Amino acid sequence: SQQGEEDPQALSIQEGENATMNCSYKTSINNLQWYRQNSGRGLVHLILIRSNEREKHSGRLRVTLDTSKKSSSLLITASRAADTASYFCATDAGGNNRLAFGKGNQVVVIP
Amino acid sequence: KAGVTQTPRYLIKTRGQQVTLSCSPISGHRSVSWYQQTPGQGLQFLFEYFSETQRNKGNFPGRFSGRQFSNSRSEMNVSTLELGDSALYLCASSLERGAPDTQYFGPGTRLTVL
Repeated sequence: SQQGEEDPQALSIQEGENATMNCSYKTSINNLQWYRQNSGRGLVHLILIRSNEREKHSGRLRVTLDTSKKSSSLLITASRAADTASYFCATDAGGNNRLAFGKGNQVVVIP
Repeated sequence: KAGVTQTPRYLIKTRGQQVTLSCSPISGHRSVSWYQQTPGQGLQFLFEYFSETQRNKGNFPGRFSGRQFSNSRSEMNVSTLELGDSALYLCASSLERGAPDTQYFGPGTRLTVL
């Protein structure tokens, strides 16, 4: 089974709105990371949250982690057209530097 | 600091051929990991190299191999290419200063097998 299954798969919002996407995983983790990918290019690291953290902020990003439910959420506030991308969560459940990625959320921000 | 670089960016091969992709990590990073991304399977871990040794390996056939050089640069090779090998191949490097370790990705090599 695949780690990190994001939900929903696709999201279309107006510029200025908030975007929320979720990720669930199946095994114990040390940390969970979120990445952004624009149009099939490389992945850009957004934020890392450790298993003993519940919430973390970075600019317009807010990540929560609920280890009891094995889930995480990524909130992008005041979205911009430039936030249009695919967002992936990844866990380290496979071991050091062996990330297990979810299927990704495609977010389209309409200007 | 320069980011992770991958060459070539695009590659077209035919079935049965072999291909070598190259990855230069961020200066000072000693760990290099490779991932395959396809629309059907998503992002899948291929292998990880650290100090010229393969430390982790994903569930890919032996046609997929790699190596790491003393300067931490890494190459991956795919022999006897199949149509299903068409994918975006991403490499990532990390500092390996101790967990948790952020992986920084390169732009990828887009391989098309005809």
